[in-house]
Formats: sequence, C-alpha cells, structure tokens
Amino acid sequence: AQTVTQSQPEMSVQEAETVTLSCTYDTSESDYYLFWYKQPPSRQMILVIRQEAYKQQNATENRFSVNFQKAAKSFSLKISDSQLGDAAMYFCAYRGTGTASKLTFGTGTRLQVTL
Amino acid sequence: DTGVSQDPRHKITKRGQNVTFRCDPISEHNRLYWYRQTLGQGPEFLTYFQNEAQLEKSRLLSDRFSAERPKGSFSTLEIQRTEQGDSAMYLCASSLISGTVKNIQYFGAGTRLSVL
Repeated sequence: AQTVTQSQPEMSVQEAETVTLSCTYDTSESDYYLFWYKQPPSRQMILVIRQEAYKQQNATENRFSVNFQKAAKSFSLKISDSQLGDAAMYFCAYRGTGTASKLTFGTGTRLQVTL
Repeated sequence: DTGVSQDPRHKITKRGQNVTFRCDPISEHNRLYWYRQTLGQGPEFLTYFQNEAQLEKSRLLSDRFSAERPKGSFSTLEIQRTEQGDSAMYLCASSLISGTVKNIQYFGAGTRLSVL
C-alpha cells in the first residue's frame, strides 16, 4: 500500500518570504501522480499544484513550485513571496494509476504566515 | 459551475441515531468520492462511484455505512447507529475521467459530524 509522510506538523513564514513544505511517499508503482492541496480553516480543499511522475520537469503554478525527486520519493512544495492568504493546512497526496484514482493523503502541515 | 456542494455543513447527533449526508458534485462529473477526515489527520478514502455504480469500498466503511448515487447525480452517505468514533469531517469530491482535467478531484467543504 502507498503511504505519504509529512514530517512537519507546523511551519511558519514571514510575509514575502519563501517556505518549503516537505513530503515523502512510498510506492512500488512507476507511474503515478502527486498533488498538493490547501485546506483553509472551515473551507474546502483546493488543488494547489500537481506533478505527473513521468515528467522530469518540476511543476510550477505562479508562486508555487515543487521539487520532485523520484528516486528519493520526495515531493516538496515551495511557496515564494508568501502572503497572508497562504495560511492553511497543506496536504500532500498520492494517486496511483489504478482504476479508482483514489487519493492517499499525508497528515498535513499547518502553515502560519506572520507579518 | 458552482463547485461541489455538501449538506449539511454541521451535524450534531446522539449516539445510536442515524444520519444522512448529501453531496452534489460538479455538473457532468462522472466520478464521486467520499473521504473521512479526523482531527489532525489527512482525509482517508471511503468509497467512490462512477456514474451510479459504487465501484470500491474501503475497509473503513463498516456495515453501518451505506452510500448511494441514484441516477449518477447527487450522492448520499448514511451512517446507522452512530458511534462516538464516527465523529469526523466527511468530505465529498468529484472528477471527470476524461479531458484535460482528467481525474482531478474537486472537493466540497465537508460535513462535520459530532456524535455525543
């Protein structure tokens, strides 16, 4: 079974600074997808960024980018120019290529953004 | 496109009562997923539908849980004889199995269940 590990329960960053959230995963599959979701307090989970395992190029979405290291099974999220609205729980998720396409989530990292 | 809608947002019930939650997926999304999220944890997969067919159920889904998706539109999740351990956030997600956003899951805001 696949597992996803987020070893940082909480992180803090100052506004306008850069922060990196860590994620590692375990799988025996060679083709899969990885995601970062953001869950603001009492609000729905929003997709931040996704990465296909067969692509060597790291995904970027505006201020969000990933460092995908397939051999190390590592998938970190970098948030540049942090904003107050970035404060939320961030979940790393894995999706295999099975028919269900279900997501396996880590335990999350709570990001605080300070002035 | 109004997003995934879940109702109610909050439900408080007494142990032993039955509860039912509803999820309305994004229009034309043919897949619908249910997840459960307990405090301090990430969401865990419960079950999913493709159109009206329930194709997979997690071991987390005990016999007290039942889900339906009549006509492949909205879905309901019913918990019978609730237990305190059922207290959690129940999340619904939907996706398309084709197109440029294939299999990207979009989540609702969830239903928070508290069993007293």
